[in-house]
Amino acid sequence: GENVEQHPSTLSVQEGDSAVIKCTYSDSASNYFPWYKQELGKRPQLIIDIRSNVGEKKDQRIAVTLNKTAKHFSLHITETQPEDSAVYFCAASTFRGSQGNLIFGKGTKLSVKP
Amino acid sequence: GAVVSQHPSRVICKSGTSVKIECRSLDFQATTMFWYRQFPKQSLMLMATSNEGSKATYEQGVEKDKFLINHASLTLSTLTVTSAHPEDSSFYICSASRADTQYFGPGTRLTVL
Repeated sequence: GENVEQHPSTLSVQEGDSAVIKCTYSDSASNYFPWYKQELGKRPQLIIDIRSNVGEKKDQRIAVTLNKTAKHFSLHITETQPEDSAVYFCAASTFRGSQGNLIFGKGTKLSVKP
Repeated sequence: GAVVSQHPSRVICKSGTSVKIECRSLDFQATTMFWYRQFPKQSLMLMATSNEGSKATYEQGVEKDKFLINHASLTLSTLTVTSAHPEDSSFYICSASRADTQYFGPGTRLTVL
């Protein structure tokens, strides 16, 4: 089955700097890659996603890149702010029709220092 | 749109009792719902996939007789933790699928004494 590796497990940056989180996946059939942000004790919130027919997607300060050949995808956050501090999870899914299981990475705890 | 609710948000029970958790998609119909368990400082682990009108598909290592899942309608799935023990204490989160996006409920904190 699918296996998702996520690095680093913790990341500390200064406010205004960029943060990059990387994930690799094992199943070449995976075609959907969402990123979730989870604050302590709260539900995961979808922040951006990318599908296998696209190499890059951007939404304001957040961007995701996908390299299908290498089977890795990355989350880029620019101009980080203290409110970006949270745990970020990547996931991979083999989406078919209306169903697709998400396999999550182990998460990255991002701390943005003012 | 795409709001998922979960009830209760927190439950404390004695060892040996059963606990039912409800997951509802409030503004859309979800053919498929998912149940996850999350231990402190760990990732979300998929427990089972719940399909409306059919039996749930459980992940390897998850006891189907202990974690009973019922998906009776397109907006409701329930997870019952039977004969709960302290090691079942965890954060249980459901999600509902709309197209290829999963929307998560707020989670249920289960503490078994």
